[in-house]
Amino acid sequence: DIQMTQSPSSLSASVGDRVTITCRASQSISSYLNWYQQKPGKPPKLLIYITSNLQSGVPSRFSGSGSGTDFTLTITNLQPDDFGTYYCQQSYWTPPYTFGQGTKLEIK
Amino acid sequence: DVQLVESGGGMVRPGGSLRLSCEASGFNFDDYAMHWVRQAPGKGLEWVSGISWDSGNTVYADSVRGRFSVSRDNARNSLYLHMNSLKTEDTAFYFCTKDKTHLVAVATSYFDPWGQGTLVTVAS
Repeated sequence: DIQMTQSPSSLSASVGDRVTITCRASQSISSYLNWYQQKPGKPPKLLIYITSNLQSGVPSRFSGSGSGTDFTLTITNLQPDDFGTYYCQQSYWTPPYTFGQGTKLEIK
Repeated sequence: DVQLVESGGGMVRPGGSLRLSCEASGFNFDDYAMHWVRQAPGKGLEWVSGISWDSGNTVYADSVRGRFSVSRDNARNSLYLHMNSLKTEDTAFYFCTKDKTHLVAVATSYFDPWGQGTLVTVAS
């Protein structure tokens, strides 16, 4: 099975900062990488699909890039509402649809 | 609005069984594959099972294969997860979620939206 490794596991940043979360696949997944945001007590929410496509309604300060094994989620001009845990997920080698372990983002 | 509402969670003893349901509304249910994803309290997301639009293909995580069975009733806009031989490590919130595509095990899959989840607790 494909392993997905996110880094960092947690981070703290200030409003207005630029934040980068990385996701590495144990083997190439082409561009089939999705990102989700989850807030405490809520279900995950799709942010970005297939590496760089912004889901409808998601603010443009979120962006994604990468290919092969290395991917990045970037949040520019961090806002207070961006707190939560972010998960990457691969859909290339399925099943299983593997998630990363999550990155917890705290707003200072 | 697209809506997914899970039900059927609860407390069960190890070795017991439970059936989860997910009622869908706001979209053509029989046009999409569906999935179950679980999350142990305080832990990350684990995909559990998926089913194609016509029930023609079902897929499972190794951790549940042979114990869990996914099904759907398109006439009732409902998705089910039949869980047998439950273990303490199956304790989790179980979310149902809609796939982008009508098939499972295709690369262009992504999950949106998700239901609020139902909690399954396996304990003696």
